[in-house]
Amino acid sequence: QSVLTQPPSVSGAPGQRVTISCTGDSSNIGAGHEIHWYQQLPGTAPKLLIYGFFNRPSGVPDRFSGSKSGTSASLAITGLRAEDEADYYCQSYDSSLSGSRLFGGGTRVTVL
Amino acid sequence: QVQLQESGPGLVKPSETLSLTCSVSGGSISGYYWSWIRQPPGKGLEWIGDIYYRGSANYIPSLKTRVTMSVDTSKNQVSLKLSSVTAADTAIYYCARLEFWSGYPPKNYYLGVWGKGTTVIVSS
Repeated sequence: QSVLTQPPSVSGAPGQRVTISCTGDSSNIGAGHEIHWYQQLPGTAPKLLIYGFFNRPSGVPDRFSGSKSGTSASLAITGLRAEDEADYYCQSYDSSLSGSRLFGGGTRVTVL
Repeated sequence: QVQLQESGPGLVKPSETLSLTCSVSGGSISGYYWSWIRQPPGKGLEWIGDIYYRGSANYIPSLKTRVTMSVDTSKNQVSLKLSSVTAADTAIYYCARLEFWSGYPPKNYYLGVWGKGTTVIVSS
């Protein structure tokens, strides 16, 4: 069964840079499928943060950026702020098992 | 600005069928794919399935035998039915719109608009 693996948690002090990894395999990222990132603030619905590995929708601060390396993707937050404390999910498409959209397990970002 | 609103019973008995509706306002459901995603208490997101406005659907294999999605273009609504529910189906259920992305196939579309979610508890 294919998965997208994220670290359960990352933390950083205000102003610092944190990164969240999303490790896939040949059924998703390695098959050429895109990675999208969502931010879920406490008690709210998820919100699109990055689409297609690198692209920010309008209204998303440029403190958030995405990258790709092989079968992995990363989300970076620079100039960390208290309001960035949230859960972050990567999402892709998986070509195995008749094809499904797939979420990573999520990463809790804590601002120290 | 398009808005999505999920609705349905907050409490469903085990073995019964969960039925939810996603009402779309500020835009048409026509031309889009629509997704249902759920989130068990304290856990991560799980994609349930997609449906195109013309009615073709794709479901996650683990729920395929119990899930049915449908669209009603006259009411601008998308619906989800999940049969034979158990406590494991207790979750917040979200509907979301997949955004058309020029030059990319639907499998790479992203979830651009989300509803606020509705909590469903399965309990007798």
